[in-house]
Amino acid sequence: NAGVTQTPKFQVLKTGQSMTLQCAQDMNHNSMYWYRQDPGMGLRLIYYSASEGTTDKGEVPNGYNVSRLNKREFSLRLESAAPSQTSVYFCASLDSNYGYTFGSGTRLTVV
Amino acid sequence: GNSVTQMEGPVTLSEEAFLTINCTYTATGYPSLFWYVQYPGEGLQLLLKATKADDKGSNKGFEATYRKETTSFHLEKGSVQVSDSAVYFCALSEGSGSARQLTFGSGTQLTVLP
Repeated sequence: NAGVTQTPKFQVLKTGQSMTLQCAQDMNHNSMYWYRQDPGMGLRLIYYSASEGTTDKGEVPNGYNVSRLNKREFSLRLESAAPSQTSVYFCASLDSNYGYTFGSGTRLTVV
Repeated sequence: GNSVTQMEGPVTLSEEAFLTINCTYTATGYPSLFWYVQYPGEGLQLLLKATKADDKGSNKGFEATYRKETTSFHLEKGSVQVSDSAVYFCALSEGSGSARQLTFGSGTQLTVLP
């Protein structure tokens, strides 16, 4: 099925470890986004990429880096994980009618 | 900056009850407005949207009208079902072209009892 695919679905890290969250879309969308979801706070934008080769900071970028590898893929990297980064992470892409498609999420726990 | 305020939950209703979830927004320009739904363990799905004042978005029996004068986009459904139990997010989008970003409310948990 067409859509946004995120891996992994679950991950537990120790404080200070690094990891990369992967996201790929097969809908030929230009724009891609990374959000984090925390209880009672809705979703907050971490980084986005308006097109291949460009990335921009969102509301909460500290502690994260991103790479827009090609039009399909947009990865999120935690260089040194902290307990405050325990969250559910969602990747999304934007189509020409301004409809957003979300992945099913990555549940990350940092201990 | 932009912001979205939703009524706090959780909301618990009996099946066939009327649902209203309030949403108000603050934006500098003329945003598009959205309602997303998140079922347990899943990502967000677009429920409905409205792109200009007085537009009514509707889907699966849910409706919301873009009210510029009151900066509101309240979600309503006349008769809820158990399967409507989920978290509902109000959101707005501003910006141009591919740089558009979504700003979300904090979400409202809805539980419908049989």
